[in-house]
Amino acid sequence: AQTVTQSQPEMSVQEAETVTLSCTYDTSESDYYLFWYKQPPSRQMILVIRQEAYKQQNATENRFSVNFQKAAKSFSLKISDSQLGDAAMYFCAYKWQGAQKLVFGQGTRLTINP
Amino acid sequence: DAMVIQNPRYQVTQFGKPVTLSCSQTLNHNVMYWYQQKSSQAPKLLFHYYDKDFNNEADTPDNFQSRRPNTSFCFLDIRSPGLGDAAMYLCATSRAGTGTRYGYTFGSGTRLTVV
Repeated sequence: AQTVTQSQPEMSVQEAETVTLSCTYDTSESDYYLFWYKQPPSRQMILVIRQEAYKQQNATENRFSVNFQKAAKSFSLKISDSQLGDAAMYFCAYKWQGAQKLVFGQGTRLTINP
Repeated sequence: DAMVIQNPRYQVTQFGKPVTLSCSQTLNHNVMYWYQQKSSQAPKLLFHYYDKDFNNEADTPDNFQSRRPNTSFCFLDIRSPGLGDAAMYLCATSRAGTGTRYGYTFGSGTRLTVV
């Protein structure tokens, strides 16, 4: 069974600094997708960034980038120039290409200190 | 804007009294999902509809049912809510095929309280 593990229940960072959230996953599949979702308090979950497993190049979306290490089954999220609005619960998620199901990690609560 | 709308945002129900949560979408996505998210935990998939085909997760209790009368609407029915069913319920949609590589679009959720 596919599993996703986020080993950091909570992280904090100073505003304008850089923070990295960790995620590892377990799968025997070769064709899959990985996602980071952001869930602000009492607000809907939104997609931050995604990565196709067949792509070697790490995905980047403005201040958000990933470090995808396929052999190590690692998918970390780097947030540069952290802003107060980045404070949220962040979920790492996995989806096998042949299935509809999105499997989530336990989440990391990110606090931004002004 | 195209979106996923969940009603109500907050629902209080009595122990054992049936309750229905609703979800609608304007994205014309053919897959709709219901997730249960308890406090500080990962969302857990209950079931999903791929078009009209219902797909139940193996560990979803029988107490939870779903209906999808058309592409736009999907309902979550809890037949006899227990205290352990208090949670945030998230509806999400996706487009099967190439669209699923883009992940899901989520609604804002319904927070269910059982008293």
